[in-house]
Amino acid sequence: SQTIHQWPATLVQPVGSPLSLECTVEGTSNPNLYWYRQAAGRGLQLLFYSVGIGQISSEVPQNLSASRPQDRQFILSSKKLLLSDSGFYLCASGTGGAGNTIYFGEGSWLTVV
Amino acid sequence: DQQVKQNSPSLSVQEGRISILNCDYTNSMFDYFLWYKKYPAEGPTFLISISSIKDKNEDGRFTVFLNKSAKHLSLHIVPSQPGDSAVYFCAASAKSGDKIIFGKGTRLHILP
Repeated sequence: SQTIHQWPATLVQPVGSPLSLECTVEGTSNPNLYWYRQAAGRGLQLLFYSVGIGQISSEVPQNLSASRPQDRQFILSSKKLLLSDSGFYLCASGTGGAGNTIYFGEGSWLTVV
Repeated sequence: DQQVKQNSPSLSVQEGRISILNCDYTNSMFDYFLWYKKYPAEGPTFLISISSIKDKNEDGRFTVFLNKSAKHLSLHIVPSQPGDSAVYFCAASAKSGDKIIFGKGTRLHILP
């Protein structure tokens, strides 16, 4: 079974500072990788997903970006954080294709102050 | 545009009774549906799924029903237990399976 590691678990960052959240996956190869955000009243919002190295699909216009430098590594970044970027960020991994079940990491709490 | 809708933000059920969580979707291309359970400050955990070729899938205390004509699915938990208190998310994907869209969640409270 696959294991998804996310770090840091908790982050407090000032407005305008950069962000880097990292996610790595073990126990599978060539996974689909996802970044979701849980903000108050918004449920789980899909931010980015990737079906392979260097292939990123963006779902929500915002000041965040994602990169996939290696098969099982997915990074969420921002050059300048906004207060509205605060939330609980979740990385997920799945096999892709029909019947794709995705599994989540433990999440990263980001508070922008 | 919300493609997956969970219209009840919260639900309270007596311990031992049946919990029924509902989910509606708008995209007719969705053909695979999932339910996840989430505790505060943790990642969601996968509970059960159903393909559009079925109308029911059962796993222990959890059963998911799919009504394709109504674009509606429901999760039944029988009997409800205190540990079932959590937020439940409904999710859906289309044939390619690459993009998985979640609803806003329903908070389930199991009352003693």
